[in-house]
Amino acid sequence: SQQGEEDPQALSIQEGENATMNCSYKTSINNLQWYRQNSGRGLVHLILIRSNEREKHSGRLRVTLDTSKKSSSLLITASRAADTASYFCATELQGAQKLVFGQGTRLTINP
Amino acid sequence: GAGVSQSPSNKVTEKGKDVELRCDPISGHTALYWYRQSLGQGLEFLIYFQGNSAPDKSGLPSDRFSAERTGGSVSTLTIQRTQQEDSAVYLCASSLVGGAFRGGYTFGSGTRLTVV
Repeated sequence: SQQGEEDPQALSIQEGENATMNCSYKTSINNLQWYRQNSGRGLVHLILIRSNEREKHSGRLRVTLDTSKKSSSLLITASRAADTASYFCATELQGAQKLVFGQGTRLTINP
Repeated sequence: GAGVSQSPSNKVTEKGKDVELRCDPISGHTALYWYRQSLGQGLEFLIYFQGNSAPDKSGLPSDRFSAERTGGSVSTLTIQRTQQEDSAVYLCASSLVGGAFRGGYTFGSGTRLTVV
């Protein structure tokens, strides 16, 4: 079964609105990361949050991590058409040196 | 180089043929990873290199899949006797050191493999 599961699978909002995506995982982690993928090719690293951190900001991105609930959320504020992409959460498991990716959320920003 | 380079970007092959996919990581990145992504799916881990050794090859789906890395740099993923279920985008990523704790991975643009 997947370590990371994103919710929702797809999200469509109007430009200017905020977009929230959630990720749940099953086992203890070192850190959790969010990536963006355009057009089904290479992924771009957005933000990393360590297991001892609860919230992190980067520009219009805000990530939260709740290790007691084994969940994370990615908030994109003031969305733009260029934010249209698939967003993946990825966890680095304790004792492992690889990332395990979820299935992704397909975000569409309508002009 | 400035980024992770993968070649070819697209590959169409006949069932039963062997293919080689190449990844050229960022200079100085000691860790290299191969992932596979089927259409509309998440990324499936294949293998991780630290330098020239592969401490984790647990994701290779069968013995038809192998990978090597030479000189701590370029890596080649080889698929022998390709099957239609091997069709996917094969993504390579590198990072400065093993483990993503010190930062995220840098991904290449992938090789889209189609087995007909």
